[in-house]
Amino acid sequence: DTEVTQTPKHLVMGMTNKKSLKCEQHMGHRAMYWYKQKAKKPPELMFVYSYEKLSINESVPSRFSPECPNSSLLNLHLHALQPEDSALYLCASSLSRVFEAFFGQGTRLTVV
Amino acid sequence: EDQVTQSPEALRLQEGESSSLNCSYTVSGLRGLFWYRQDPGKGPEFLFTLYSAGEEKEKERLKATLTKKESFLHITAPKPEDSATYLCAVQLSGGSYIPTFGRGTSLIVHP
Repeated sequence: DTEVTQTPKHLVMGMTNKKSLKCEQHMGHRAMYWYKQKAKKPPELMFVYSYEKLSINESVPSRFSPECPNSSLLNLHLHALQPEDSALYLCASSLSRVFEAFFGQGTRLTVV
Repeated sequence: EDQVTQSPEALRLQEGESSSLNCSYTVSGLRGLFWYRQDPGKGPEFLFTLYSAGEEKEKERLKATLTKKESFLHITAPKPEDSATYLCAVQLSGGSYIPTFGRGTSLIVHP
């Protein structure tokens, strides 16, 4: 199994909603990442978990809250988002902190 | 100032017309340089890792090379299915493992 699975694939949410994005991998990778990508831009790093501990937080607003329940799962909890948060949210994992990363297909998020 | 610069921003090729994409970096202390391919609306797909100057990696029609300040992704006899955005990312040595992406090169190969 060499896949990173993200759910849902698409999400439309209002600015007062609370939702969660989920990411799962079964490759035994110990580093997991959340990225945000706008159209025609490169992915922007949000969070990095290394051995289930948050190791990098790129000054992301508190309306985004990551969680790593175990070594295979990564969640991103969303609350009170703004329309400018609409983007493709990508999860990735790598065996170690060396960035040979496998990416999921992303969640296309629209905030209305 | 961008630490990672990719050029050209966009490239159109005819099928079979070989070319190269460039990724230059201004930082010192490179831990690794990574090439990815991204199709529209999908997550990036890992292609290569390069660690030291002089290193080369190949996969099908793609060949990646690394010097002290830049990397090239050579595409030999491209096919329309090679059309995608090609991203490079660098990681620095030292305490931080933050990978930094370039803005990418959008490649279109016409049949």
